[in-house]
Order: sequence, then structure tokens, then C-alpha cells
Amino acid sequence: GENVEQHPSTLSVQEGDSAVIKCTYSDSASNYFPWYKQELGKRPQLIIDIRSNVGEKKDQRIAVTLNKTAKHFSLHITETQPEDSAVYFCAAMAPNTGGFKTIFGAGTRLFVKA
Amino acid sequence: NAGVTQTPKFQVLKTGQSMTLQCAQDMNHEYMSWYRQDPGMGLRLIHYSVGAGITDQGEVPNGYNVSRSTTEDFPLRLLSAAPSQTSVYFCASSSRRTTAHGYTFGSGTRLTVV
Repeated sequence: GENVEQHPSTLSVQEGDSAVIKCTYSDSASNYFPWYKQELGKRPQLIIDIRSNVGEKKDQRIAVTLNKTAKHFSLHITETQPEDSAVYFCAAMAPNTGGFKTIFGAGTRLFVKA
Repeated sequence: NAGVTQTPKFQVLKTGQSMTLQCAQDMNHEYMSWYRQDPGMGLRLIHYSVGAGITDQGEVPNGYNVSRSTTEDFPLRLLSAAPSQTSVYFCASSSRRTTAHGYTFGSGTRLTVV
């Protein structure tokens, strides 16, 4: 079946460094790629997304890139801060009967050390 | 505009008991879904609905029932609780009219089955 692979599962960086999380998807019909941040004990929240007709999108310290040919997309966080510590989930959405199908990655636990 | 509201936030059940987790959204979203999240793991889809009167199974539907009588409400019923259903349950909604959109998640229900 279709899947989304997310790497790494755990990432530890020093405050101020950059963090990169990568996802690879298998369904070539996927056309929308959101990223969610889940702080400990909280709900996942959408932080940035990208559509298949765009190669890169940036919002302050976070950016997402998409390579449709290789079927992978990445989340980049620059100048990391302790409050960036959380679990990050990528997802790939593809049209299907009645709407869209969503497949989530398994998540990346990011630790930012002060 | 409350977004997605889940109740209760915490629940303890005895094995064999039944209960209903409530989910309501006030954003006129067509798509609603239920996910479970086990410790250290990602999100697994239980059931989803693309509109009032339409429901379908996700990845892990056994032991759960849903109904969608209105656009706003999407309750999840546990028929006969089992310890394996101990988890955090998230309801999520999305607009599915023409293009994919990210999810808005509820705050979650932490369920323990003893």
C-alpha cells in the first residue's frame, strides 16, 4: 500500500543550529504536503504546507521544499530555539473518491538543547 | 469560533464497558476523522467521513463505530472496551471542497481501559 517514510525518528540539535526532517512518499497522485508540530501532551498543529505546483515555501524560520520527481519533501528549521522541541509529522494527501486520502509519516522527535 | 471540540478530555473504562467520544466542529468542514495515537507512535486512522450521512473505515476500525448525522458532529463509539484501546484519541476536520487542506485537530481524549 501507499506509505510515507519520515527520517530521522529522533533529532537532537544545539540551540541556534538548523534542523532538517525528510519525508518520502509513494503515491504519485499526492498533491498537498502539510507538516504538523505536536508539543508534549498537546494536539498536532499545522505549521506549514506546500502544494505540488510549488518547489519551496518559507515562513520565518521554517521552510519546506518539495522534489516531485524524487517524491520527497523536507522541513527546514533555522536558528532553532528550545520551544521548537516537539514531535513533527509530515503527511501526503492525494485525491480519492469523495475527497482526499491522507498518509502520515511516523514522526520525528526534535530536541533543541539550550 | 471554537474549532474542533472533543469531550471528555480524560476517561477510564473497565474492560467490556462501552462509551462515546464526542467531537464537534463549527467551521462547516465537510471532512471529519478519528485518529488514535499510541505512546511514541504516529497517528492511525480509525474512521472518517466526507460529509453528513457518509462514513468509511480507516486503518484500524475494529471495535469502533461512527455516525455522521450532521455536518458538525462525528461521535466515536467504543462497543466493548479492551485494554488494547488504551490510547489518545484525536478528532480532526478539514475542508474538502475542491483542494486539499490541512487538518484542525481537537485537543484529544486520553482513554485508559483497565
